[in-house]
Amino acid sequence: AQKITQTQPGMFVQEKEAVTLDCTYDTSDPSYGLFWYKQPSSGEMIFLIYQGSYDQQNATEGRYSLNFQKARKSANLVISASQLGDSAMYFCAMREGPSNSGYALNFGKGTSLLVTP
Amino acid sequence: DVKVTQSSRYLVKRTGEKVFLECVQDMDHENMFWYRQDPGLGLRLIYFSYDVKMKEKGDIPEGYSVSREKKERFSLILESASTNQTSMYLCASSPPDRGQGYGYTFGSGTRLTVV
Repeated sequence: AQKITQTQPGMFVQEKEAVTLDCTYDTSDPSYGLFWYKQPSSGEMIFLIYQGSYDQQNATEGRYSLNFQKARKSANLVISASQLGDSAMYFCAMREGPSNSGYALNFGKGTSLLVTP
Repeated sequence: DVKVTQSSRYLVKRTGEKVFLECVQDMDHENMFWYRQDPGLGLRLIYFSYDVKMKEKGDIPEGYSVSREKKERFSLILESASTNQTSMYLCASSPPDRGQGYGYTFGSGTRLTVV
């Protein structure tokens, strides 16, 4: 079964607007972590933001914030003030299990974001 | 700058060949991973390793094996390449998470074409 679901294959946003990329996850483990990565057309994978399952506040990193709704099992990425350089594939990923254990990330299928002038 | 280096950016191999994809990291990371990325499917885990000489199967290990003889090097082996293994292969490494949300550091990928 798919553990990470990204329902938006593609999104458009106008420059300087905010955009939300959706991510829902499925786990019965009380300890888990959620990650977002960006992959520009160059192919490199860039780590953006992290949210732990026990974190009380939503994570923020500059223009990126993670809207964490635990009961709904959603971890949406919000990009504020979009820039042309934000055009890329975005992947949501989850680590299951305690943070001090070895882990592997499960990735969603990704959302392609295009920022228009 | 810290790096995960994949030995080849592009590879073309023939069906039935044994193929080695090499990955080296210089960050003294315990964990190393191999994923393949296909359009519409995202990243799928092939194998991972938490320590030297140990390995764990991921979601799609069939047709692949791995080797980790040294901490810094994690090799992916296609025993007998087939056309359905044409894909982008991504290597990554990470320290233990320890609740600090260390993400992976990825290599630049190897685009393998099997003809």
